Amino acid sequence: IQLTQSPSSLSASVGDRVIITCRASQGIGSYLAWYQQKPGKAPRLLIYAASTLQGGVPSRFSGSGSGTDFTLTISSLQPEDSATYFCLQLNSFPFTFGQGTRLEIK
Amino acid sequence: EVQVVESGGGLVQPGGSLRLSCTTSGFTFSSSSMTWVRQAPGQGLEWVANIHPVGSEEVVYVDSVRGRFTISRDNAKSSIYLQMERLRAEDTAVYYCARPGQCSGDRCYWDYWGQGTLVTVSS
Repeated sequence: IQLTQSPSSLSASVGDRVIITCRASQGIGSYLAWYQQKPGKAPRLLIYAASTLQGGVPSRFSGSGSGTDFTLTISSLQPEDSATYFCLQLNSFPFTFGQGTRLEIK
Repeated sequence: EVQVVESGGGLVQPGGSLRLSCTTSGFTFSSSSMTWVRQAPGQGLEWVANIHPVGSEEVVYVDSVRGRFTISRDNAKSSIYLQMERLRAEDTAVYYCARPGQCSGDRCYWDYWGQGTLVTVSS
């Protein structure tokens, strides 16, 4: 199953609403997670089961979607949100990641 | 507190071998699946292998490593391993160990990751 994220990169200002999409090549139900990764660090789980917020993650992050189309939304961008974001499908082996979306703060 | 710590990375020549270790604590290891994920320099993430809990010990690999890599576990040491053989330049990556501990329905998502260990395959 291929996951295609868009955009590949974006630049936004503090306070902006940011939306990242992830499209699966076939239906994956809600077996999707979103991760944030900062340089030199391990990925951090943000959202699992497509829309459930991981404990300790700020509420400005939210996820939605099912089947083949998913979104990660940051409602009000903060400076610490500068990172690369990946989606991951756990519907079937081989588990696959999207190619990543690099988010830069203007 | 859950802890996941990888070790064993280093520089190896093409065709060589290396064994990575992942030592954990803070959760019931014997009932948990475990996962290896890798990330080539400047690239995205790639799932490598899974091992299920004792009792099934089913193992699954990505096609690019099947037949060359072997994932195993030692429940007495709360550890998993990745034995890598016939290494290629394209295996160069940071290798992460992850615990699928955040469960929803019949899926568990990887919530704790180690800091990673770098494997460099080069002559």
